[in-house]
Amino acid sequence: QSALTQPASVSGSPGQSITISCTGISSNIGTSDHVSWYQQPPGKAPRLIIFDVSNRPSGIPSRFSGSKSGNTASLTISGLQTEDEADYFCGSYDSTNTWLFGGGTKLTVL
Amino acid sequence: QLQESGPGLMKPSQILSLTCSVSGGSISSGIYYWNWIRQRPGRGLEWIGNIDDRGTTSYNPSLQSRVTFSVDMAKNHFSLTLNSVTAADTAVYYCASVDFGDYSFDYWGQGILVTVSS
Repeated sequence: QSALTQPASVSGSPGQSITISCTGISSNIGTSDHVSWYQQPPGKAPRLIIFDVSNRPSGIPSRFSGSKSGNTASLTISGLQTEDEADYFCGSYDSTNTWLFGGGTKLTVL
Repeated sequence: QLQESGPGLMKPSQILSLTCSVSGGSISSGIYYWNWIRQRPGRGLEWIGNIDDRGTTSYNPSLQSRVTFSVDMAKNHFSLTLNSVTAADTAVYYCASVDFGDYSFDYWGQGILVTVSS
């Protein structure tokens, strides 16, 4: 069971937009609507920020958005703020009745 | 709320037992999978597996031979047992709930660091 593939790091300046990709295969991202994204500040537990590809839980700013095309999901953060600096992980349900995560992407706000 | 508890330090070949206490809701609500996830130092998240309130389990194939889950309705908690630990099992272990509706990890414990060292 291989992890989903994410870039190791991305960076941006305050106010800019960034996109983080997450690539899987047909048994998970390719056919699952259950793709989610998590934000993990240093030393803290992950927090759900996107579920079912593009939905935001209550309290998550609209600056965070998600999408999917084929076997790749994407998280976009627009209007970057310094408080967005964290690690971001994607997750997906797989048709084998298992769940997978990506390796994580470190976002640096310059 | 979810809260992990267990030993912080173990020796190789020992059996790791962790418990996740659930508060603010019933573990027998029938709408959640109860999960264990770990994060080895400097690495990503690794799903270990889950259990529902009927005791039905699903495991990560890479750990399936060494891991067992259980649920205690009376104590409103669920547990993980990992056999024959090695240094490679050193990690922060999280418990988390997955909603049956969207299959996302919506509530997380704060995590517990387990170090395996001789």
